[in-house]
Amino acid sequence: ETGVTQSPTHLIKTRGQQVTLRCSSQSGHNTVSWYQQALGQGPQFIFQYYREEENGRGNFPPRFSGLQFPNYSSELNVNALELDDSALYLCASSLDPAGDSPLHFGNGTRLTVT
Amino acid sequence: DAKTTQPPSMDCAEGRAANLPCNHSTISGNEYVYWYRQIHSQGPQYIIHGLKNNETNEMASLIITEDRKSSTLILPHATLRDTAVYYCIVRVASRDYKLSFGAGTTVTVRA
Repeated sequence: ETGVTQSPTHLIKTRGQQVTLRCSSQSGHNTVSWYQQALGQGPQFIFQYYREEENGRGNFPPRFSGLQFPNYSSELNVNALELDDSALYLCASSLDPAGDSPLHFGNGTRLTVT
Repeated sequence: DAKTTQPPSMDCAEGRAANLPCNHSTISGNEYVYWYRQIHSQGPQYIIHGLKNNETNEMASLIITEDRKSSTLILPHATLRDTAVYYCIVRVASRDYKLSFGAGTTVTVRA
């Protein structure tokens, strides 16, 4: 069973640029969520995708957007990067969006905005 | 989702049981209790979850009080590799799968 994988592991961007982060969900999982974790804080929910549609969103501006593909992999796109976007971005997958099945997380992409 | 309260830090001795408390006094009847941990520079790792009954798996045991207002995660034989931040989270099983992470408990296992 393959776990959640994310790429790249580290990334450095300049303020104002755009970035795309990628995630492959765990085998058999059809739901993907993205979280942002600033240094020293717990992860914060960005949004969730199920059946290629966003079906839940946290308190993040529209410049944070995502995609889910037919194979359940996902992308997180951030436009007009700001210094405060520097964080660990975590992808998580689950068997379904409802029910009690747990989320399984990848090890994240460390984004630094300079 | 209900809020949880955890001690900010705790130490335990290697080889001994580690008992991590969590208070969720405003939990509602359809909210599950989940435990995750995060080892430095890694993503959160799922440990265990439950609704009403006590649960046990290969990693840990979860004890939920009868009134469901608190729970305890038990690591039966702590090792140095169990040093991590442990998060107790309550969540309704719904289409909006949002986990609300608090500050967690920083557990340090000492030799």
